[in-house]
Amino acid sequence: TQLLEQSPQFLSIQEGENLTVYCNSSSVFSSLQWYRQEPGEGPVLLVTVVTGGEVKKLKRLTFQFGDARKDSSLHITAAQPGDTGLYLCAAHRNSGNTPLVFGKGTRLSVIA
Amino acid sequence: NAGVTQTPKFRVLKTGQSMTLLCAQDMNHEYMYWYRQDPGMGLRLIHYSVGEGTTAKGEVPDGYNVSRLKKQNFLLGLESAAPSQTSVYFCASSYGRKNYGYTFGSGTRLTVV
Repeated sequence: TQLLEQSPQFLSIQEGENLTVYCNSSSVFSSLQWYRQEPGEGPVLLVTVVTGGEVKKLKRLTFQFGDARKDSSLHITAAQPGDTGLYLCAAHRNSGNTPLVFGKGTRLSVIA
Repeated sequence: NAGVTQTPKFRVLKTGQSMTLLCAQDMNHEYMYWYRQDPGMGLRLIHYSVGEGTTAKGEVPDGYNVSRLKKQNFLLGLESAAPSQTSVYFCASSYGRKNYGYTFGSGTRLTVV
């Protein structure tokens, strides 16, 4: 059973459009992380959300942690080609005593 | 500031051959991890270490061994490579266990023929 379900799997949009990707689970997490991975590189941490209902902004990226701490979303405003990549969410099983488990990711392509 | 360095970047092995992947970090991180990334499967944890001299199994440990003789290095060994081990391997490190972000290397692309 996949701990973290990410949707959509693939997304192709035009430059300037807005988009939202989702990370869902039936489990409750103490925190959740988002990473972006570009081709040929390792994932790079974007943000960690800790509190239920928390909203964090990173320039045009807005991250939200669900009130029940079971899900999270990433919203990108006015997408640019540089946003292209694989977006991964990750969380710990068992209240943080084990390493991160990753979702399968959303592959985003922003076309100029 | 190098972060996490993986060597080699690419390798082709014949079935049955052995090899060692090296991961080195210069951030004085306590925790280190080996993941493999396959299409449609995402990142899956192979082995990890919570400190020098310690190792533990992850989700997919079969066919791999690891060693953490020095804090800054984490080695992943394949004793007898199989085509099913064709993958991209990522090493990562973190300062702490919980709520700390992972720093990843740029990966090793391994093909077993």
